[in-house]
Amino acid sequence: DTGVSQDPRHKITKRGQNVTFRCDPISEHNRLYWYRQTLGQGPEFLTYFQNEAQLEKSRLLSDRFSAERPKGSFSTLEIQRTEQGDSAMYLCASSLAGSYQETQYFGPGTRLLVL
Amino acid sequence: AQTVTQSQPEMSVQEAETVTLSCTYDTSESNYYLFWYKQPPSRQMILVIRQEAYKQQNATENRFSVNFQKAAKSFSLKISDSQLGDTAMYFCAFMKLRDSGYALNFGKGTSLLVTP
Repeated sequence: DTGVSQDPRHKITKRGQNVTFRCDPISEHNRLYWYRQTLGQGPEFLTYFQNEAQLEKSRLLSDRFSAERPKGSFSTLEIQRTEQGDSAMYLCASSLAGSYQETQYFGPGTRLLVL
Repeated sequence: AQTVTQSQPEMSVQEAETVTLSCTYDTSESNYYLFWYKQPPSRQMILVIRQEAYKQQNATENRFSVNFQKAAKSFSLKISDSQLGDTAMYFCAFMKLRDSGYALNFGKGTSLLVTP
């Protein structure tokens, strides 16, 4: 059972550029979550998929952010026209609906630095 | 909205000793899940222990146990026989069980240092 993987692990970009992150969940998990974690804070929820459907988006997810999960497998999170305030760790988690307490398993994260 | 408060930004404990990390939360929900996650330096978030609100019995996982006080909305984590590998950020998290897609609502974390 491989865990949640994320790619890339680190990304440095210039302000105004677009970036895309990928998350591969645990293979049988049908729920997938994106969180953002800034330095010294706990993760904050961004968005959630059940299979391929995006069912909830946080108000933190501005219109510059878009997430997809085609075919209900891997997911991508794109940030357009990056700003310095987007610098953070982006965490992906997955879970199996109806499983023990809906436990979410986290990937290693993608650390984004916007210069 | 649910809020999770961890009032201890940093704590320190000696190896083999016991330490308790505090967490309080605010909710109007009657059923929910609570979690403690551990995030070692530069490593990924790992589940430590979980608790269902409708279960009165406190969860235990080896050296880790919780003191769940539903009426007080308190969910503290006790680490017994602390080990150097327990050094990490510890996050308390709340999960509402309807509508929200089971998103986790995290506290700001407690940085735990285990010293020799």
